[in-house]
Amino acid sequence: AQSVTQPDIHITVSEGASLELRCNYSYGATPYLFWYVQSPGQGLQLLLKYFSGDTLVQGIKGFEAEFKRSQSSFNLRKPSVHWSDAAEYFCAVGHAGGTSYGKLTFGQGTILTVHP
Amino acid sequence: DTEVTQTPKHLVMGMTNKKSLKCEQHMGHRAMYWYKQKAKKPPELMFVYSYEKLSINESVPSRFSPECPNSSLLNLHLHALQPEDSALYLCASSQGTSGGFEQYFGPGTRLTVT
Repeated sequence: AQSVTQPDIHITVSEGASLELRCNYSYGATPYLFWYVQSPGQGLQLLLKYFSGDTLVQGIKGFEAEFKRSQSSFNLRKPSVHWSDAAEYFCAVGHAGGTSYGKLTFGQGTILTVHP
Repeated sequence: DTEVTQTPKHLVMGMTNKKSLKCEQHMGHRAMYWYKQKAKKPPELMFVYSYEKLSINESVPSRFSPECPNSSLLNLHLHALQPEDSALYLCASSQGTSGGFEQYFGPGTRLTVT
């Protein structure tokens, strides 16, 4: 069964510092992978996605993520964090077939706190 | 425009009430979704509509009744809810239901059942 693990429940960084949020997935074929961000009480906003091709994908707000098949990982990075990046981040895998066709499986989320 | 709208933003209802949540998108997407999200948890899929037909029901209690009147509109009818149904209800849409189509989410309806 497909699953997504975000090992870090809560991460705190200083403004201007670099950021890496970890995501590991379990999936039988080439996965469709996504990162979403959610501010408190709001909906989810898509940051970036990976379907195939170049393993380093660029997203909005200066975020990027790297797909590493050998490590079953899709970690999210940003070189310099801004206070407005404080939010909850979800990694997700999209189901390509079977009875779960169209379903997203989410990780448990990582809450990012940014110190001034 | 990648906007999904949801109304109302907040809803308080008693356990004997009947209410409805509404979701709308004008991106020409053919798949629409309802999710339930409890505090500090990821969204949980409830229903998927593909080309206006219900394709996935994640064993949701019958007190939740989805409806897709047309390709742009998705409703969730609520009846005889329980306090544990209080949550943020999110609607999403995508071009199709292939795992490769990204889902766009609305801002959600914060539901409180008293």
